[in-house]
This record gives sequence, C-alpha cells and structure tokens, in this order.
Amino acid sequence: QVTLKESGPVLVKPTETLTLTCTVSGFSLSNDKVGVGWIRQPPGKALEWLAHIFSNDETSYNTSLKTRLTLSKDTSRGQVALTMTNMDPLDTATYFCARIYRSKYDFDFWGQGTLVTVSS
Amino acid sequence: EIVLTQSPGTLSLSPGERATLSCRASQSLDSNYLTWYQQKPGQAPKRLICGTFIRATGTPDRFSGSGSGTDFTLTISRLEPEDFAVYYCQYYGGPCSFGQGTKLEIK
Repeated sequence: QVTLKESGPVLVKPTETLTLTCTVSGFSLSNDKVGVGWIRQPPGKALEWLAHIFSNDETSYNTSLKTRLTLSKDTSRGQVALTMTNMDPLDTATYFCARIYRSKYDFDFWGQGTLVTVSS
Repeated sequence: EIVLTQSPGTLSLSPGERATLSCRASQSLDSNYLTWYQQKPGQAPKRLICGTFIRATGTPDRFSGSGSGTDFTLTISRLEPEDFAVYYCQYYGGPCSFGQGTKLEIK
C-alpha cells in the first residue's frame, strides 16, 4: 500500500526558510520508475508544481521558484525534503507531496497535504 | 514553458447530464504526458486519466479523455452526484504545468 505523508511547521515568519519532509511507504526511493514531487495550492486557488526528484537524484524545479527551492532525499529513511527560502505571505498554501510515475510523468499517489501559513 | 488553459472556469450541470471539460495548451503536446485529476474539497487530487485517454485504476468508465496537439478534453458521460468537484489537467514538458482548474458544480 503506497502512502505519503507531509510533515513540517504549520506557521513560518516572513523571510524564514521552510523545510518540509515527505515520508513514503509502500515503495522505495531507489526504484527508478518513480520519484517524489511537491505541489502546492494556495487557499481557493489552483495547483502549482514546485519540484520533483528521482532515484538517481535527477531533479527538476519550477522555473520561477528555482532559486528558492532545494530537494534532497534520504533513501534509507524513505524521506524527501523540500526547502524553500525567503518565505513570503504569498507562499501560504497547502503543500502536497506525491509520487511521480516516470513513464507518464504524472502523480499517481498523493499525501494528504499540510497547510503552511506565512505570517509574522 | 507550456501554459495550460482550462475552460470553462465553472460548469453548472445536473446529475445525469454530460460534462465536457477543455484543456488547451500554448503549444503542441506529447499526448503521452497529459493527465487529468479530480479534487474534492479538503482532499488531495486524485489521478483520473493519464496519457490523454488511459483511465487510472478505479476510474469509472463514464470518464473518458481525448485530444491531441493543443486541445484536450475530459468527458463525463452521465454525471453522478460524486462527480461534482474541481478538475485539473497537467502536463510534463520538462517542467510540469497544471491548468487553473474547472469547477463542476450542481445546477
């Protein structure tokens, strides 16, 4: 059974750095057919892809956010971390991690999401 | 970067009716990488259709996908009460892109 679960702070201050962790089970981060991606959704708005990473550490980042994002993974722990620097109130959103399936480059399993609020 | 434009923004229909949702791309797409998702309030998106027309496991056969080039369509043949939700198209062309969504609401 494939599951993903996001964890991290619910509240961060402007200019701070956000680190979220996605813990996966039911598949291995060493599987070259799948990877893990991050997608966010501001309240009442559309989905926005942020980044994804595969087993060979191949990463891809949203062009407009690339300078603020870093992905890393710990295969032995089944975890992928997303770091976003210089947080702004406009970054308030629900952050989802999801498994990305390489053959279609789409997201077949999703975590429940975690709401991150940026406020002083 | 590819921009996906979904229309209409909101679609008001009744159960039993047919729904047609559009996803238009700013340039021609490889149809292998066009996916549709359904999202209900407070839930994560759920993959419905991948590769333009392949139903994901568990997707009812009243959902169908079609299209090529820059124009793609999700069709729901006969709406059930549980189908009223927001639908997103997504494409991978290097970076990923999501459309802005179509809200399917009960008339």
